[in-house]
Amino acid sequence: DADVTQTPRNRITKTGKRIMLECSQTKGHDRMYWYRQDPGLGLRLIYYSFDVKDINKGEISDGYSVSRQAQAKFSLSLESAIPNQTALYFCATSDLTSGVQETQYFGPGTRLLVL
Amino acid sequence: GQSLEQPSEVTAVEGAIVQINCTYQTSGFYGLSWYQQHDGGAPTFLSYNGLDGLEETGRFSSFLSRSDSYGYLLLQELQMKDSASYFCAAYSSASKIIFGSGTRLSIRP
Repeated sequence: DADVTQTPRNRITKTGKRIMLECSQTKGHDRMYWYRQDPGLGLRLIYYSFDVKDINKGEISDGYSVSRQAQAKFSLSLESAIPNQTALYFCATSDLTSGVQETQYFGPGTRLLVL
Repeated sequence: GQSLEQPSEVTAVEGAIVQINCTYQTSGFYGLSWYQQHDGGAPTFLSYNGLDGLEETGRFSSFLSRSDSYGYLLLQELQMKDSASYFCAAYSSASKIIFGSGTRLSIRP
């Protein structure tokens, strides 16, 4: 079984709709992250959480919100989706005690299309 | 501001050696990582440099020079399966992590 899972894997929605992307991990890591990837722009950090009570904005948090329901679960919400939020979204985890500082383990990604 | 620069595309021949460079500008820098991503896949960790010098892991090596704000990924004995995008990522106390835009490596037989 995959250590980091994302649901759904693909999603098509309409402008103005609220949607939630979910991430679960079985690695036991405290740190979780949400990124979006656009062609030619690499990965950009949306939000990150270092433990259940810690939520931090990344470089592109506008239009997004997150919820850390448990150590293993980190959800990303688009309150009112717009077409320029069409992208590939990745969840990742990391643990500083892994022996290599800040190794990030990525989920398989969610491909989102906003019409 | 915070930024990383890496070439957008590199082409090499199977069996050869290729170097992918990365220059960074970030305050509170403390390390540089490299990730590999195949088309349709998720990024996977390759290496991390927290100190100046060369880190070797099999066919892949990574180098960091803090004084030059520069690092590179060296891939030896290239195989067709190494065709992928490679991202450098800088860790800093200010912005935590920033990824470069990625270098697409194409390998010819």
